[in-house]
Amino acid sequence: GAGVSQSPSNKVTEKGKDVELRCDPISGHTALYWYRQSLGQGLEFLIYFQGNSAPDKSGLPSDRFSAERTGGSVSTLTIQRTQQEDSAVYLCASSRSSQAGVGTDTQYFGPGTRLTVL
Amino acid sequence: AQSVTQLGSHVSVSEGALVLLRCNYSSSVPPYLFWYVQYPNQGLQLLLKYTSAATLVKGINGFEAEFKKSETSFHLTKPSAHMSDAAEYFCAVTRDGGFKTIFGAGTRLFVKA
Repeated sequence: GAGVSQSPSNKVTEKGKDVELRCDPISGHTALYWYRQSLGQGLEFLIYFQGNSAPDKSGLPSDRFSAERTGGSVSTLTIQRTQQEDSAVYLCASSRSSQAGVGTDTQYFGPGTRLTVL
Repeated sequence: AQSVTQLGSHVSVSEGALVLLRCNYSSSVPPYLFWYVQYPNQGLQLLLKYTSAATLVKGINGFEAEFKKSETSFHLTKPSAHMSDAAEYFCAVTRDGGFKTIFGAGTRLFVKA
C-alpha cells in the first residue's frame, strides 16, 4: 500500500475486555514500531520489530500488553483485560532499514487507533 | 539514557512572524535528532532530521533546525509563519544502531491571522 494503515480507527470497549489493534506497514519495510500517545503527552515507545522479531519488549506497560508480527508484515497489538488508563491513541510506524541503519531511519506513521475504555 | 525536552507545550505566533520551537536533548552517545509534525486528524510526518552530517538541516515547508552540541539543542525555526503551519510538533532522538526513539511531549503551534 501507499502508506501505513491501522485498524480500527476507533475502538470503544468496556473495562476488562480484550482488544486487538492491527497495523499494516509499508510494503518492504522491515522495521515496525508501536507507540502510545496519551492526551497531552508525547509518544511513548512500546515495542519494535525487526522482521518478525522483537529484540526489546521492555517498553510494554504491563504483561497485559503483547504484540506479534507475522510474515515480516502485519502486526497486532493485543491488550488483555483493558483498564481505563489504557485509553489513548495507539500509533504504528514502519521504516525500511535493517538493524544497523535503523537509528537514522525516517519512520512513516499510520493514522492511529483511538482506544476508549469505558 | 536519552531524553528530549521541548520547552513550551503551546506557542502562539502571528502570521508572518518567526517560528521558534525549542528542543533540548540529553544523550551519552552522539545523537540522531528528528522533528516530526502532526497536523489535525493526521499521522505524524517527518519535517527534518540530523544524522551527523551538516549541523544546519533544512526540511519541508521552509522549516530548518540547527544542531548545537555545546548547547545540546536542536531548535526548529521558520522565518515566516503561515496559517497552514498550525499543528503539533515533536522533537525526537535516537542513536547509532538504536531502534528506540524517544519523543518529546510536543509543542502545539497556533498561528494567528
